[in-house]
Amino acid sequence: GAVVSQHPSRVICKSGTSVKIECRSLDFQATTMFWYRQFPKKSLMLMATSNEGSKATYEQGVEKDKFLINHASLTLSTLTVTSAHPEDSSFYICSAINNEQFFGPGTRLTVL
Amino acid sequence: GNSVTQMEGPVTLSEEAFLTINCTYTATGYPSLFWYVQYPGEGLQLLLKATKADDKGSNKGFEATYRKETTSFHLEKGSVQVSDSAVYFCALINGVAGSARQLTFGSGTQLTVLP
Repeated sequence: GAVVSQHPSRVICKSGTSVKIECRSLDFQATTMFWYRQFPKKSLMLMATSNEGSKATYEQGVEKDKFLINHASLTLSTLTVTSAHPEDSSFYICSAINNEQFFGPGTRLTVL
Repeated sequence: GNSVTQMEGPVTLSEEAFLTINCTYTATGYPSLFWYVQYPGEGLQLLLKATKADDKGSNKGFEATYRKETTSFHLEKGSVQVSDSAVYFCALINGVAGSARQLTFGSGTQLTVLP
């Protein structure tokens, strides 16, 4: 089956710094990837749709200048949390399309 | 718009008990329906799916039947195991063009199975 990886699996950073999370489709090419945010004991909230070679489409209420998405190749999308604050601490999950959605294992971000 | 409503958890069962997690949906068009499972500290894995009315998805002893008349997709398992402890998400993809790939998730149901 299709495999999606994320790196890092967990990261701790200081408030005000930026953190980059990578999402890779390992055995298929994905023109579309999705970024989700999951709060404790809550469902997944779609943040944005990442389109290879074009700008990402952000969901309402998601700050595009804070959550920078780059989908520079058919196997890699990155999410950069800029000037991170403690309220950005969350579990971030990406997914990629290969007939159906395949999810990465998630990245646990903790901002101190 | 699209929405998915799941029974609220947490659900705690003894091993070998029968499991039902209710899921109902609201959608225009003809959605495909999914159940995903999330084990502690991991991402989501597709458990089963059904793409049209009366289809039954099944995997690892879990089953769910796409009921268009009741707009439901309840998850069932006849005998749960400790290893089934996880969070279960019901989801749909609407078949309407332009949004066909965007999943709408329910709120998730935490299942704990005790030995």
